[in-house]
Amino acid sequence: GQQVMQIPQYQHVQEGEDFTTYCNSSTTLSNIQWYKQRPGGHPVFLIQLVKSGEVKKQKRLTFQFGEAKKNSSLHITATQTTDVGTYFCAGPGGYQKVTFGTGTKLQVIP
Amino acid sequence: DGGITQSPKYLFRKEGQNVTLSCEQNLNHDAMYWYRQDPGQGLRLIYYSQIVNDFQKGDIAEGYSVSREKKESFPLTVTSAQKNPTAFYLCASSRQGNLGKETQYFGPGTRLLVL
Repeated sequence: GQQVMQIPQYQHVQEGEDFTTYCNSSTTLSNIQWYKQRPGGHPVFLIQLVKSGEVKKQKRLTFQFGEAKKNSSLHITATQTTDVGTYFCAGPGGYQKVTFGTGTKLQVIP
Repeated sequence: DGGITQSPKYLFRKEGQNVTLSCEQNLNHDAMYWYRQDPGQGLRLIYYSQIVNDFQKGDIAEGYSVSREKKESFPLTVTSAQKNPTAFYLCASSRQGNLGKETQYFGPGTRLLVL
């Protein structure tokens, strides 16, 4: 079955440093979604990418979908303590369902 | 308030006991999902439903059962056959199933602990 892997699994950064998480799929994806889960909370939708090579920005967050539509990245510029949480990518996982990536847990040190 | 509610927030179960987790949505969404999250892990799909009176097994359905008698409700029963039920259970809904292209909205989750 389809697998969606994310690296790194954990990342500690000093506040103000940049952060990037990478998502890799074993199969070509029609679209990819990104979610953020704060500690103790539930996942919240951030964005969806559909087109090959697509780049979208949300303030300090930049999302990219690979040309082959098998990988994606999330880059945060100048991290803040409010960025703490686990970031998940998710792609179609078969008939009418979604497969979530393994997640990257971000810790920001003030 | 529109959204998804899950109850209870915390649930304790004795071994050999069945427990039911509640999930209700007032978003008028067709599709609903149940996920399990273990500490430091991603989300694994237990069951999903695209329409009332229909549901499908996810990746880890063994030891769980669901029903979808009403559009707004999708309760999950953790049966005694589930040998390792301690986890964080998340319910989600989306406007339609649509092959994973719809945004999923999550409830606050239920933490289940087996005593």
